[in-house]
Amino acid sequence: AQSVAQPEDQVNVAEGNPLTVKCTYSVSGNPYLFWYVQYPNRGLQFLLKYITGDNLVKGSYGFEAEFNKSQTSFHLKKPSALVSDSALYFCAVRDHNNAGNMLTFGGGTRLMVKP
Amino acid sequence: SAVISQKPSRDICQRGTSLTIQCQVDSQVTMMFWYRQQPGQSLTLIATANQGSEATYESGFVIDKFPISRPNLTFSTLTVSNMSPEDSSIYLCSVDRLAGANEQFFGPGTRLTVL
Repeated sequence: AQSVAQPEDQVNVAEGNPLTVKCTYSVSGNPYLFWYVQYPNRGLQFLLKYITGDNLVKGSYGFEAEFNKSQTSFHLKKPSALVSDSALYFCAVRDHNNAGNMLTFGGGTRLMVKP
Repeated sequence: SAVISQKPSRDICQRGTSLTIQCQVDSQVTMMFWYRQQPGQSLTLIATANQGSEATYESGFVIDKFPISRPNLTFSTLTVSNMSPEDSSIYLCSVDRLAGANEQFFGPGTRLTVL
């Protein structure tokens, strides 16, 4: 079975400071990894994904994430946080060796960026 | 990316009634999914809907409670039957593997409140 852990329910950061939202995963095969963001009263928006290749992937709104196979992690990062980044962030995994396997989501991390 | 719309965007319903949620995609897709997001929680997959076949339900979800239709490659409905306050959630539809992409795209969600 595959699983995703987001160990922090909430992350607080001051505007202009770097931010990290943590994600670790467990999957039997090779992972496809994703980050989504959910703004209040909105659906999920895709931010970025790791499929293969370069471990550092860049996505929308200046976000990036680093795939670390040895630590089974895929932490989301941004060099300089904006107040508008405040939202709920979800990490998700799919086992790409199993084409029928569905996405499994982490519990979500609420990011609060304060002016 | 796909444009996915849902109707209604929100509703307040009485206990014991049923609500049908519609999901429309602007492209033909093979797989459509329905998720539930309870207040403050992550996403839970209800079922997978493929055109021309019965929906596949996840553990804990049954067809009598959540009947799904998938009449064509761009449309699906989810009905929440005999509602109780515990059914108050956001219901999201999503699509997969659009144009070879590995990420899922999500609709804006339907916020359901059951009194």
